[in-house]
Amino acid sequence: AQSVTQLGSHVSVSEGALVLLRCNYSSSVPPYLFWYVQYPNQGLQLLLKYTSAATLVKGINGFEAEFKKSETSFHLTKPSAHMSDAAEYFCAVSESDMRFGAGTRLTVKP
Amino acid sequence: DGGITQSPKYLFRKEGQNVTLSCEQNLNHDAMYWYRQDPGQGLRLIYYSQIVNDFQKGDIAEGYSVSREKKESFPLTVTSAQKNPTAFYLCASSISAGQGIYGYTFGSGTRLTVV
Repeated sequence: AQSVTQLGSHVSVSEGALVLLRCNYSSSVPPYLFWYVQYPNQGLQLLLKYTSAATLVKGINGFEAEFKKSETSFHLTKPSAHMSDAAEYFCAVSESDMRFGAGTRLTVKP
Repeated sequence: DGGITQSPKYLFRKEGQNVTLSCEQNLNHDAMYWYRQDPGQGLRLIYYSQIVNDFQKGDIAEGYSVSREKKESFPLTVTSAQKNPTAFYLCASSISAGQGIYGYTFGSGTRLTVV
C-alpha cells in the first residue's frame, strides 16, 4: 500500500537559511508525489508535484523537490527561508487515491 | 475563478446535535473528498465520491454521513454519534478518482467546535 513518512514534525530555521523538509514514500508502482503547504486556518495549496517528467521539480515560492528512486525520497528544499514560509507542509503520494504524511511545521526565526 | 467553497468557516455545535458542513465546487471535477485534520495527525479521509449518487467510506467514516445529489455539491453531516467531532474539516476535489496524476484542489476548511 502507498504511504509517505515525513521526518520531523517540527523544523526551525533562521531567515535566509536553507530549508530542508524530508519525505520518504512507499509505493508498489512508480508514484505521483506532491508537496502541499497549509497556512493557519486555511486549506492546502499545491506547491509542486512529481509526475515522472523530471526528477527535479520546481514549484511556487522558490521551493523545489528532487525525486530519488534509489532512496525512495522526495525532499523539499528552498535555498533561503523567508518569514512568509512559516507554515505546515504536507507530502503526499498518489496511486489511485492520495495519502498524506503527518505534516511538518516550519518555523522561521528572524 | 474556479474553486471550492466551504461554509461556514467556523461552526459551533452543542452536544447531541447534528450539523452539516457545506462544500461546493465549480471546477467540473468528478471526484470529491472530505478529510478531518487534527493536530499532529495529518489528514484522515472520511468519505469520498467518484460520481454523482455514489460515495464510499474512508478510514474514519463512523459518525459521519454524506450525500452527492449534484456534481457540484458534497455536504458532510457530523452526527451525534461522532464522539469527538471538534476538528478542522477539509473538502477537496479532483478531476477524476483513480487518476493520481492530477492532485487535489482544497477548500479553505471549516473549524467545528463542540460547546
